[in-house]
Amino acid sequence: GNSVTQMEGPVTLSEEAFLTINCTYTATGYPSLFWYVQYPGEGLQLLLKATKADDKGSNKGFEATYRKETTSFHLEKGSVQVSDSVVYFCALSGGTSYGKLTFGQGTILTVHP
Amino acid sequence: DARVTQTPRHKVTEMGQEVTMRCQPILGHNTVFWYRQTMMQGLELLAYFRNRAPLDDSGMPKDRFSAEMPDATLATLKIQPSEPRDSAVYFCASVTGGAYEQYFGPGTRLTVT
Repeated sequence: GNSVTQMEGPVTLSEEAFLTINCTYTATGYPSLFWYVQYPGEGLQLLLKATKADDKGSNKGFEATYRKETTSFHLEKGSVQVSDSVVYFCALSGGTSYGKLTFGQGTILTVHP
Repeated sequence: DARVTQTPRHKVTEMGQEVTMRCQPILGHNTVFWYRQTMMQGLELLAYFRNRAPLDDSGMPKDRFSAEMPDATLATLKIQPSEPRDSAVYFCASVTGGAYEQYFGPGTRLTVT
């Protein structure tokens, strides 16, 4: 079956530091890959996506590249801000564009001023 | 600003009681998902519907959980009887056909004592 593995958290950084959150996956076929964020007490919101190999998803300074050869979709940001302190989830959906999501365990990011 | 709504936002109940959670998907979205979030298991899919028909409920304990879509504007998740291990946040999400982004509701936080 499908699975997603994220780096263990929590992650603590200083403002303007470089961020990487690792994500690897196992899936049959050609999944679509996503990063979602969760604010306290709220549901998840899509941060970025990539739907085929070598695609780069980007949004709000965050980027992730769909690497089929390493089955990875690592999230990066060049300079984090205090406001980036939320929970990040890597996810995949197999096959169809509106299929069910399989999530990683989530990574809590804390950015200090 | 179209949103997925969920009621109630919080529910505290005693073991053995029936619990019903409701979700109103975004108008025009034809696929609705129910996810459960716990510290131990993370985010897991319980069930989902397309055009009101159940497509997959393999993640749901069949003996006590049931999910329905009485009409296109309402999805329900029922637990009867509830148990302490059902304590979690239950999220509903919806998506329109052909799209990738699932829109999540704010969740129902269920506590079973």
